Amino acid sequence: DSGVTQTPKHLITATGQRVTLRCSPRSGDLSVYWYQQSLDQGLQFLIQYYNGEERAKGNILERFSAQQFPDLHSELNLSSLELGDSALYFCASSVSENTGELFFGEGSRLTVL
Amino acid sequence: AQRVTQPEKLLSVFKGAPVELKCNYSYSGSPELFWYVQYSRQRLQLLLRHISRESIKGFTADLNKGETSFHLKKPFAQEEDSAMYYCAGWDSGAGSYQLTFGKGTKLSVIP
Repeated sequence: DSGVTQTPKHLITATGQRVTLRCSPRSGDLSVYWYQQSLDQGLQFLIQYYNGEERAKGNILERFSAQQFPDLHSELNLSSLELGDSALYFCASSVSENTGELFFGEGSRLTVL
Repeated sequence: AQRVTQPEKLLSVFKGAPVELKCNYSYSGSPELFWYVQYSRQRLQLLLRHISRESIKGFTADLNKGETSFHLKKPFAQEEDSAMYYCAGWDSGAGSYQLTFGKGTKLSVIP
């Protein structure tokens, strides 16, 4: 499958812990985006990378960080987890940095107990 | 702040009835707007974008700058149209690239 892939699909952890979510973009796409989806907030933009460099930052908490590696995959690190961090985290990719045509992964569902 | 508003959380229509999913935006300049759709157990995907002015699966959306709206329309709803629909706006102001989504409208087509 050459689409956007995200791992893990599901993750259950405890408050105070740290997790890493991984995303592989579509083949040929240089831009990666992270979104958080919760029931009350909808899809919230977190951060965008293009070819390894951070391009845009949204409502990303200081406890969260991300990076894009030379092979273009990206990781979203969530630390000091709180109950409110429970959400679906989506990764999306696009071929360029200046387009609204994004291709989404299936998401990683994080549950913090 | 640039934003996109979808006033309806849920919209139920009968099969064969017209559908209109509302979207209003507040962007300065010339916005680029999109509709994304998420069918049950599928990933979020692009449905259409305003600059292409195309019809996808019978859906159309026209940008109305006077009313700052980008409503999604279909003349005759089908059961397979039942899904979650998101309006989104692309903001490339000041070199910051963001696709901002509305909170979504769940469309339910009643057989």
